[in-house]
Amino acid sequence: ELKVEQNPLFLSMQEGKNYTIYCNYSTTSDRLYWYRQDPGKSLESLFVLLSNGAVKQEGRLMASLDTKARLSTLHITAAVHDLSATYFCAVRGATQGGKLIFGQGTELSVKP
Amino acid sequence: NAGVMQNPRHLVRRRGQEARLRCSPMKGHSHVYWYRQLPEEGLKFMVYLQKENIIDESGMPKERFSAEFPKEGPSILRIQQVVRGDSAAYFCASSPPSSTDTQYFGPGTRLTVL
Repeated sequence: ELKVEQNPLFLSMQEGKNYTIYCNYSTTSDRLYWYRQDPGKSLESLFVLLSNGAVKQEGRLMASLDTKARLSTLHITAAVHDLSATYFCAVRGATQGGKLIFGQGTELSVKP
Repeated sequence: NAGVMQNPRHLVRRRGQEARLRCSPMKGHSHVYWYRQLPEEGLKFMVYLQKENIIDESGMPKERFSAEFPKEGPSILRIQQVVRGDSAAYFCASSPPSSTDTQYFGPGTRLTVL
């Protein structure tokens, strides 16, 4: 059974600092996703990582994928308050079309 | 191009009533997924449908829950005889027929069972 684990689950940062969220998954998969969710809102797609060594960047967020280690990271550079949200990684399942298996989420709070 | 639409956005039911949640995928999308998010938890897959077919229902509870995606109209998630434990946010996502790389999520329906 495919399992996805994120850490940390809670992260309180000061503005301007850097930090990394980790996402481990248990079996082979060829698609890894990062989503952002604001309180009471839906999920916003941030990144889709398709292959080993893939790296994508958008603003202060950078995501990478190591399929051999079954690990993805979401790196936050010089955090700002607007980045406060819950971040989920998800891995596509093996069935055709692919259900997504989500991690528990990392609740990020960026304080001035 | 309108995004994934769900209605109602908020639904309150008493124990034992039925809840019907609707999802209209993005235009041109033929794959629909339903997920449930319990308070303070991540999303859990429930069911994956294409038009008139259930492809994967491995995440659906065995009783009281059903889903459909008819040839015409929205996808429906139906919960019969709701219980308090059904209180959650239910999200629908869709993806196009040519690619299932990214699922686009709707705003969700927040179900409260009194």
